Amino acid sequence: GAVVSQHPSWVICKSGTSVKIECRSLDFQATTMFWYRQFPKQSLMLMATSNEGSKATYEQGVEKDKFLINHASLTLSTLTVTSAHPEDSSFYICSARETHYEQYFGPGTRLTVT
Amino acid sequence: GQQLNQSPQSMFIQEGEDVSMNCTSSSIFNTWLWYKQDPGEGPVLLIALYKAGELTSNGRLTAQFGITRKDSFLNISASIPSDVGIYFCAGRYNNAGNMLTFGGGTRLMVKP
Repeated sequence: GAVVSQHPSWVICKSGTSVKIECRSLDFQATTMFWYRQFPKQSLMLMATSNEGSKATYEQGVEKDKFLINHASLTLSTLTVTSAHPEDSSFYICSARETHYEQYFGPGTRLTVT
Repeated sequence: GQQLNQSPQSMFIQEGEDVSMNCTSSSIFNTWLWYKQDPGEGPVLLIALYKAGELTSNGRLTAQFGITRKDSFLNISASIPSDVGIYFCAGRYNNAGNMLTFGGGTRLMVKP
């Protein structure tokens, strides 16, 4: 149980375009979903927290207009990187949590902006 | 804000050796978690600790929630090649909502 999927697993896009990453909880209802960013050989950096049906709460320094998060259902959250630039290239990982349970992570999405 | 210091940052292991790593915090946590991340993958939850002094095992892995609530350690006994990866500790203080604070990670590698 507690499986979280992400799609796509990797994506290459041109500078200036937008990219959408999906995160799904496959066998539980995710009341809260989290989006993290991870640079090589570094720890996970929390970008934002979202509760189903509510606006996401962004961490300090994360541009909410650039990283659009939608958590429209209890099993799906999306992260859209708008007008992507090479410095947005990173490993993006989502996690999901059902009330009273721990966070379970997706397999990550590697974004490369050329 | 809260910070977690995880040590060692990296270590080499030889098959069969026991491994130990720990995390310390500048403030208390109510929950300690240990995750393992393989290259190109998301972290996988190994052990969750909810009570000060709690000692919990998961196969060859044993973790403890420190009495002061500011530290935790993870031991791996009789290591095997597939133990290679990055191990992260994470702490949560209930009033911080659902958010986790992560340590910097301990990278386990195999001795050449």
